[in-house]
Amino acid sequence: DGGITQSPKYLFRKEGQNVTLSCEQNLNHDAMYWYRQDPGQGLRLIYYSQIVNDFQKGDIAEGYSVSREKKESFPLTVTSAQKNPTAFYLCASSIVPIPKGETQYFGPGTRLLVL
Amino acid sequence: AQSVAQPEDQVNVAEGNPLTVKCTYSVSGNPYLFWYVQYPNRGLQFLLKYITGDNLVKGSYGFEAEFNKSQTSFHLKKPSALVSDSALYFCAVRDGAGSYQLTFGKGTKLSVIP
Repeated sequence: DGGITQSPKYLFRKEGQNVTLSCEQNLNHDAMYWYRQDPGQGLRLIYYSQIVNDFQKGDIAEGYSVSREKKESFPLTVTSAQKNPTAFYLCASSIVPIPKGETQYFGPGTRLLVL
Repeated sequence: AQSVAQPEDQVNVAEGNPLTVKCTYSVSGNPYLFWYVQYPNRGLQFLLKYITGDNLVKGSYGFEAEFNKSQTSFHLKKPSALVSDSALYFCAVRDGAGSYQLTFGKGTKLSVIP
C-alpha cells in the first residue's frame, strides 16, 4: 500500500448523513483518484485531480464531492444524495500522466456501511 | 472509448501448475496496460505494466504478461502457481489517444488448490 493512507478503515453512515473519507499520500504525486469497488463490478472512477485546487468528475460522481487544497490530501465526502453508498472505497495517486504510462498506487481502502 | 474484459470470473489451478488469467482490451490509440492484485479487504497492488517495447513483460512475484496487438490481449501468466497467489486480479487499460482515466476489468478470482 506504499505511502498512501486511508482512514478510517471502516465507516458507518446513518440515513441523511454526510461522511468524509480521508486520503493522504507522501509520495509527492501530483495526481490523486477516488474509486468505488462493488462485488463483481471492478473499480469505477468517482473523481480525480491532477493538480491542487482542480478536480474532474469520473464516471459515477453523483452524490459525492471532493476537495484538493493540499497536494498530499484528497478527501472524499459521501453526501446524503448518494442513495447506495455501501461499498469499498479506494484512493490512488500517480505522477501526472505524461505520456500516460504512469502507474497508479493504491491505499488500503475504506469500507463504508449504512446503518 | 476504452474498455477491458476479463472473460473468466474465476480460475482454479493446482499448486505447481502454470496459471493464466485472461484480459482483452479495446482502445483507439496505443494501449497502456496494467495488472493489479488484490487480497481480501486490502488495496490493489501493482504487478506489471506494458507501455511499449518488448511484448513480454516481467513483473513482481514471478508474474509475467504477454502483449498481443493482433489479438488485443494482455494475459497474465506464471510458470508455477503458489497457494499464496490466490487473490483477485484486475487488468486495466488507458487509451494513449484518450483521457487520463484508467479503465478496470471486473476482476478474476484466482484460487490455487494445494
